[in-house]
Amino acid sequence: DTEVTQTPKHLVMGMTNKKSLKCEQHMGHRAMYWYKQKAKKPPELMFVYSYEKLSINESVPSRFSPECPNSSLLNLHLHALQPEDSALYLCASSQVGGRLGGHNEQFFGPGTRLTVL
Amino acid sequence: DAKTTQPTSMDCAEGRAANLPCNHSTISGNEYVYWYRQIHSQGPQYIIHGLKNNETNEMASLIITEDRKSSTLILPHATLRDTAVYYCIVKDFNKFYFGSGTKLNVKP
Repeated sequence: DTEVTQTPKHLVMGMTNKKSLKCEQHMGHRAMYWYKQKAKKPPELMFVYSYEKLSINESVPSRFSPECPNSSLLNLHLHALQPEDSALYLCASSQVGGRLGGHNEQFFGPGTRLTVL
Repeated sequence: DAKTTQPTSMDCAEGRAANLPCNHSTISGNEYVYWYRQIHSQGPQYIIHGLKNNETNEMASLIITEDRKSSTLILPHATLRDTAVYYCIVKDFNKFYFGSGTKLNVKP
């Protein structure tokens, strides 16, 4: 199984809502990632989890709250978002890279298309 | 900061080779070069990666210059289904640094 799944595929929410995005993989990967992608732009890294611990936060606003409850699951909790947060949110997973780098291909899910009204 | 520079778009005739260039002049010794593509805002799809040597797989070939400051992705026989945005990426530990991407238009 080389698939990363994401739910929901589409999400529309108001600025006062609380919602969550979910990501799952069963490849035994111990690194998981959240990316944000605006239209016609490359994906931008938001968070990296390594061995279920947050290892990288790319200065993301606190209205985005990641969670990694176990090695297969990654959540992104959303609260009080702004219309400019509307984007495609991508999850990815990989083996954990070594200190000297090494090859660790990232497998991406299909994304959640988020619209904030 | 982007570590790679790519042309915004390229055209290629169906059946011909598509050569997509990428500059990564600040790459360091341990950093790999990856290529992914993205079709219709789906999740990016892995194509190939390399460190120093040229690489080939069933999808493409990757040519890396000896000084490692640039590389070229080659799709040997482009088809209409290869129309996509192609990203050249430098990997540092667990971080992927995406370039701005090249929109490849394969035309009949």
